[in-house]
Amino acid sequence: GAVVSQHPSWVICKSGTSVKIECRSLDFQATTMFWYRQFPKQSLMLMATSNEGSKATYEQGVEKDKFLINHASLTLSTLTVTSAHPEDSSFYICSAPGQPGELFFGEGSRLTVL
Amino acid sequence: QKEVEQNSGPLSVPEGAIASLNCTYSDRGSQSFFWYRQYSGKSPELIMSIYSNGDKEDGRFTAQLNKASQYVSLLIRDSQPSDSATYLCAVNDYKLSFGAGTTVTVRA
Repeated sequence: GAVVSQHPSWVICKSGTSVKIECRSLDFQATTMFWYRQFPKQSLMLMATSNEGSKATYEQGVEKDKFLINHASLTLSTLTVTSAHPEDSSFYICSAPGQPGELFFGEGSRLTVL
Repeated sequence: QKEVEQNSGPLSVPEGAIASLNCTYSDRGSQSFFWYRQYSGKSPELIMSIYSNGDKEDGRFTAQLNKASQYVSLLIRDSQPSDSATYLCAVNDYKLSFGAGTTVTVRA
């Protein structure tokens, strides 16, 4: 199957700083990528859809000014958590679509905000 | 009402037994259904997809779909300790909606 690589796999930062997470499709081009967030013992919640060359589409309740998404090329999407706070600590996962409904997930990035 | 609901578990089964996982969904127009496996601290991986009513078998896994009852299930036969994970049911309308997951523990 297709490979999606995510970096960093874990990051610890101080409250108020910004953190950038990269998601790359290694062996295919992805015009669309999805960013999910997962809190402990909860399901994956879609945050936004990243669209190459255009603005991301955010889900209801997700602050677009706090979670900046850039999809500048067909193989790279980035999520920047700005002015991070402890409540932003979570597991962030990117994915790219394959066959209808099938998603190829990155390895995930665990963010801890102190 | 949540879009996708799963029996919360945790589900503990002895090695070699059958693990049965259930999922219901609210949108009657949904057409695509998926089961993902997620090991602790890892990303989900797709193990089964099903689109038509009935059963679909892949190795030790069998997915069952009943659109009239808005119900999809996953059976794991001859359960192994390596099957211990959280299983996520997902439904694709325009975008995937995930259930909260059922944690399965296979006892050796």
